[in-house]
Amino acid sequence: KNEVEQSPQNLTAQEGEFITINCSYSVGISALHWLQQHPGGGIVSLFMLSSGKKKHGRLIATINIQEKHSSLHITASHPRDSAVYICAVAPNTGTASKLTFGTGTRLQVTL
Amino acid sequence: GAGVSQSPSNKVTEKGKDVELRCDPISGHTALYWYRQSLGQGLEFLIYFQGNSAPDKSGLPSDRFSAERTGGSVSTLTIQRTQQEDSAVYLCASSLFSGRYSNQPQHFGDGTRLSIL
Repeated sequence: KNEVEQSPQNLTAQEGEFITINCSYSVGISALHWLQQHPGGGIVSLFMLSSGKKKHGRLIATINIQEKHSSLHITASHPRDSAVYICAVAPNTGTASKLTFGTGTRLQVTL
Repeated sequence: GAGVSQSPSNKVTEKGKDVELRCDPISGHTALYWYRQSLGQGLEFLIYFQGNSAPDKSGLPSDRFSAERTGGSVSTLTIQRTQQEDSAVYLCASSLFSGRYSNQPQHFGDGTRLSIL
């Protein structure tokens, strides 16, 4: 079993829909990262959080440390949101920056 | 300002050859990371440099892989005697100081796509 599991693996939505991507992990963490990888391959850091909730524009990330679960929400989705969204965790032991990654959720938003 | 720069962007080489991949981190970032993304696979940690501390090499898949970071800035990932399974995108990222109690967002380069024939 992977230490970081994401669901769904693939997601297709129509423009305007509310989208939720889930991430569950099995290790103790000091932080959780959400990353976005566009078709060209570039990776952008969206959020880093260790508790509660963060919001940036139409993106919202939440984390529940007790349940070892995080969600990434996209409100009013748009075709430009089409990308792979990756969850990664930084462990709370050893080298905290040694991230363990989920396999990603491929999102396609259509008109 | 300039982001993380990686070169070359693409590299095709024959099996058995050595390759060097270069990463220029964001100025002032003391932490530097190398990752690998194989086709259809998730990102995989390779090595982590933090300032003058000994690097965390625990993710390097074999002794054919090595990395160095000169002067706390530019890093080179070297793969000796390349094999076909080394084909992947190699990504570099940098951040401000990051440790167990001080996580920082990581800034990624565009990667080097390595193809071993």
